Amino acid sequence: GENVEQHPSTLSVQEGDSAVIKCTYSDSASNYFPWYKQELGKRPQLIIDIRSNVGEKKDQRIAVTLNKTAKHFSLHITETQPEDSAVYFCAAHSNTGKLIFGQGTTLQVKP
Amino acid sequence: NAGVTQTPKFQVLKTGQSMTLQCAQDMNHNSMYWYRQDPGMGLRLIYYSASEGTTDKGEVPNGYNVSRLNKREFSLRLESAAPSQTSVYFCASRRTGTSADTQYFGPGTRLTVL
Repeated sequence: GENVEQHPSTLSVQEGDSAVIKCTYSDSASNYFPWYKQELGKRPQLIIDIRSNVGEKKDQRIAVTLNKTAKHFSLHITETQPEDSAVYFCAAHSNTGKLIFGQGTTLQVKP
Repeated sequence: NAGVTQTPKFQVLKTGQSMTLQCAQDMNHNSMYWYRQDPGMGLRLIYYSASEGTTDKGEVPNGYNVSRLNKREFSLRLESAAPSQTSVYFCASRRTGTSADTQYFGPGTRLTVL
């Protein structure tokens, strides 16, 4: 069935370092890949997304890369700050009209 | 625009009680979704409604029912609550489920079943 695997489950970095979170998906028809950030006690909020006709997208300190051949996409956060600490979810849009979410990555940025 | 709203914010039930979680969106979206979130389990889809008048099961539908009341509202009902249904429930909506549209989440309902 449709599946999204996300790694690592936890990530701890020093302030100013980079953080990378990786996801793989199973449905080769997936064409839309959003990333959500969820702060403690809050709702998930979209931070960046990428469509299948694009290989990379950047928005200030965050970037997402997509390798459709390998069915793999990644989130890159540069110059991390304590306020980047949160749970991050990747997702893949399936042709059944649903977003399939990864298990989440808890990112801790240490000052 | 309020976006996606959910009521109640918190609820405590006893085993066997029933309740309905309400969700509404004011963005004229066609597709609506109900998820549950448990620690370490990510977001699991319970039911979804691709358009007004249709509903489909997601990954974990057992113990739940839904109603797409109109284009704005999508409710989730627990007929006989069980402790295993203790979770945070999120409603979400998208303009359409067939294209690359942003999915927006409501603030969540924290449910405890004793």
